[in-house]
Amino acid sequence: ETGVTQSPTHLIKTRGQQVTLRCSSQSGHNTVSWYQQALGQGPQFIFQYYREEENGRGNFPPRFSGLQFPNYSSELNVNALELDDSALYLCASSLTDPGDEQFFGPGTRLTVL
Amino acid sequence: AQTVTQSQPEMSVQEAETVTLSCTYDTSESDYYLFWYKQPPSRQMILVIRQEAYKQQNATENRFSVNFQKAAKSFSLKISDSQLGDAAMYFCVHFGNEKLTFGTGTRLTIIP
Repeated sequence: ETGVTQSPTHLIKTRGQQVTLRCSSQSGHNTVSWYQQALGQGPQFIFQYYREEENGRGNFPPRFSGLQFPNYSSELNVNALELDDSALYLCASSLTDPGDEQFFGPGTRLTVL
Repeated sequence: AQTVTQSQPEMSVQEAETVTLSCTYDTSESDYYLFWYKQPPSRQMILVIRQEAYKQQNATENRFSVNFQKAAKSFSLKISDSQLGDAAMYFCVHFGNEKLTFGTGTRLTIIP
């Protein structure tokens, strides 16, 4: 059983650009969640996908969007990047039941210049 | 809306000693879960301990235990026999309404 992986590890973009971050969940995990972690802060919930449908969203604007695929991979897309989008982006996968342990990836460090 | 408050940004403890990390939360959910997650310097977040709100008994995992006071909305973590590998950022986390809400974290330093 492999763990959760994310790519790329680091990314530098300029303001106004678009970015796609990728996550590969643990096999059998139907739920994937994405978080934004600013430096020195706790992660903030962006959204959650279950069986390829979004089923929960935090206080993030629509320019943050996602996709989940049947092969346990998922994407986080951010359009019109802003300087404040600079952060560590974490994905986490879990089984279906509420309150199941979430298995986190190592994150993607996004820097917006 | 849920909020999680960790009032101790930093804590330190002598190796082999016991330390308690504090957490309070506010929730509108009647059914929820609470967690402590640990984020070592390598960044990958891992679960330390989990508590279902409907259970009165405090969860324990080896050297880690919680003091769950539901009426007071308090959920502290006790680490016994602290080890160097316990050094990390610890996050208190509430799960309800299909989302996790994290506290701001407590950075734990272990003094050899």
